[in-house]
Amino acid sequence: GGIITQTPKFLIGQEGQKLTLKCQQNFNHDTMYWYRQDSGKGLRLIYYSITENDLQKGDLSEGYDASREKKSSFSLTVTSAQKNEMAVFLCASSLGQYAEQFFGPGTRLTVL
Amino acid sequence: GDSVTQTEGQVALSEEDFLTIHCNYSASGYPALFWYVQYPGEGPQFLFRASRDKEKGSSRGFEATYDKGTTSFHLRKASVQESDSAVYYCALGDINMGYKLTFGTGTSLLVDP
Repeated sequence: GGIITQTPKFLIGQEGQKLTLKCQQNFNHDTMYWYRQDSGKGLRLIYYSITENDLQKGDLSEGYDASREKKSSFSLTVTSAQKNEMAVFLCASSLGQYAEQFFGPGTRLTVL
Repeated sequence: GDSVTQTEGQVALSEEDFLTIHCNYSASGYPALFWYVQYPGEGPQFLFRASRDKEKGSSRGFEATYDKGTTSFHLRKASVQESDSAVYYCALGDINMGYKLTFGTGTSLLVDP
C-alpha cells in the first residue's frame, strides 16, 4: 500500500498573497493531479503531470502554477489568492490513464 | 466537451433501503466510467470502474452497469447501512481527453439508523 500526504492541512492567506500547497506520494506512481473541490461543484482538475518534469493544464488552471519537482512530489501555487477560491484542494496519483486515482485528504484554503 | 450529470444532489434513506444514484454521461468517444466515494474529512476513494457496454462494476455491495444505449452508469445497492453515508461521485475518462477524469457534481447520501 501507499499514502498521499498533503501539507498543510489548513492554509489561511490574505487576498493577493502567493500560497503554495504540497503533495507527496509513495505509491511510485507516474501520474499526479491537483483538483479543486467546491461545495456543490464536484472536483475540477487544475493541473496534472504524466511523468516527472511534465505539466499539463486542466480545466481550471488560470491563477495557478504547478511544479513536479520529482516523481514523488507535486506542488501547487496559488499565484494571487482571491476570496472566491476558498475551497478544498485535493492531490491524487495514479499508475496511468484510466487507472484508479488515489487521493490525499486535502488542503482547505481560507482567504481573508 | 465530455460531461457527467448526477441528478440527485442529496439522497436520504433509512437503513436497509434500496439505493439508486443516477449518473448519465455525454462523451464523443467511448469512455471508461467510474464511481468514487468520499467520507467526511477524507479524499475520494475509488469504488469501481467499467470500460465497455454492459460491463458491470461492483465493490462493497455497490454495483453499476455501463449502458451505452442510455448513456448511463447508475449506482445501486440493495440494502444501505448508516456507514454508507458519504458523497458519491460518478466520473468518466475519455481516451480523447488523455489522462483527465471528468467528475459529476456528487450526490450526498445520508442513511438514518
